[in-house]
Amino acid sequence: GQQVMQIPQYQHVQEGEDFTTYCNSSTTLSNIQWYKQRPGGHPVFLIQLVKSGEVKKQKRLTFQFGEAKKNSSLHITATQTTDVGTYFCAGRDTGGFKTIFGAGTRLFVKA
Amino acid sequence: DAGVIQSPRHEVTEMGQEVTLRCKPISGHDYLFWYRQTMMRGLELLIYFNNNVPIDDSGMPEDRFSAKMPNASFSTLKIQPSEPRDSAVYFCASSSLPGQGAAEQFFGPGTRLTVL
Repeated sequence: GQQVMQIPQYQHVQEGEDFTTYCNSSTTLSNIQWYKQRPGGHPVFLIQLVKSGEVKKQKRLTFQFGEAKKNSSLHITATQTTDVGTYFCAGRDTGGFKTIFGAGTRLFVKA
Repeated sequence: DAGVIQSPRHEVTEMGQEVTLRCKPISGHDYLFWYRQTMMRGLELLIYFNNNVPIDDSGMPEDRFSAKMPNASFSTLKIQPSEPRDSAVYFCASSSLPGQGAAEQFFGPGTRLTVL
C-alpha cells in the first residue's frame, strides 16, 4: 500500500537557524499537503501542492513538490520560537481520496 | 463557524468498558475522517465517510472499533470493549472536497482517551 516517509523525526535548532523536513512517497501522488501541530494541539493545514515541480512560499516557509510528484520538502528560514511544533506531510495517491500522513518532524527551537 | 466539534475532550475509562467518541463536522462538509494519534504509530487514518457513507474502513484496527454517521452533522466512533492499548488521541476531521482543489482537512481538538 501507499507509504509516506518523513525525515528527520526530530530536529533541534537554535533560533535563527534554518530547518528542513523531507517527505517521500512510495507511489506517485496527486497532491501533497502540509500541516502543523503545536504541542497539545491539533493538526492545522498549511498548504497544498498539486503541480509537478511546484514551489510555494508563505513568509519564511518554502514548500516544494518534486518533479516526479513523489517527494516534497518544507524549509523554514531563520526559525523563531513560534515555529515549534510537529510538521506533517500528507499525500493523496492518484485516483484515490485517502490521504496518508507522514510520521511528522518535531521541531524544537532554542531561544 | 465553530469548526469541528469533538466530545468528550478527555475520557478515562477502565479496560472492558464501552467508549463512545462524538464528532460534529463543519456544516457543508461532506467528508468526515477519524484518526488516531499515538507516539508509536503517529497519525493513523481509521475510517472516512462521504455523504454519511463509510468509504474506507481499512484502518479500523479490530472489530472492537465501529464508526457510524447517521446524518451529515454527527458521527460516532465506538470502542467495545476498550483495552489499554487503545489509549491515544482520537481526532475527527472534515473536508469539503478532498478530490479537487485545496481540499484541506479541518481537524477537531481531539479526544484524549486513557484506558486503565
